[in-house]
Amino acid sequence: NAGVTQTPKFRILKIGQSMTLQCTQDMNHNYMYWYRQDPGMGLKLIYYSVGAGITDKGEVPNGYNVSRSTTEDFPLRLELAAPSQTSVYFCASSYSRQGEDTQYFGPGTRLTVL
Amino acid sequence: KNQVEQSPQSLIILEGKNCTLQCNYTVSPFSNLRWYKQDTGRGPVSLTIMTFSENTKSNGRYTATLDADTKQSSLHITASQLSDSASYICVVSAKSASKIIFGSGTRLSIRP
Repeated sequence: NAGVTQTPKFRILKIGQSMTLQCTQDMNHNYMYWYRQDPGMGLKLIYYSVGAGITDKGEVPNGYNVSRSTTEDFPLRLELAAPSQTSVYFCASSYSRQGEDTQYFGPGTRLTVL
Repeated sequence: KNQVEQSPQSLIILEGKNCTLQCNYTVSPFSNLRWYKQDTGRGPVSLTIMTFSENTKSNGRYTATLDADTKQSSLHITASQLSDSASYICVVSAKSASKIIFGSGTRLSIRP
């Protein structure tokens, strides 16, 4: 099993550009999550999904969108990138909902917006 | 307000020495507490999980303790190795709304 994979590993965007961060898991997990990790801060939940076709906002959803068309994939879309979105983004998955089950994290995408 | 605070922010120790990392939380109602290890450039990996009734949980050279009365947890690392160099994150789950709160982590460096 590859676990949770994320692409790209690094990306530099100009202000106002858009991009999609890809996330795929091969563990047949129902739950998937997107977090951002800023220097010296704990991970913050952006969006999560409890299954294909179902998504919901987390703590810091503004400026992001997600979709979940399959169990395996959970892409994160950034529209009109802003410097405040410079961060490391982690995708995670779990069999049952967060807090009840161990989450498995991808390697992260380091995004810089200039 | 639900919060998780970790100390120290960073720690440097010599290889072979022991160390203890601290986690204080105000999350309520408490469900469980996890410790994660995050290597540089990687995602967090779960080390231990403890529920309200558990005081101690071990995973090899890692031993986590939980005092639910004082809302404190510690992670003790025995006979440290260079590969223990990483950030250690305390994560507390609340029963309501499946909410989890991440601490900001302790960055541990092991020197040869």
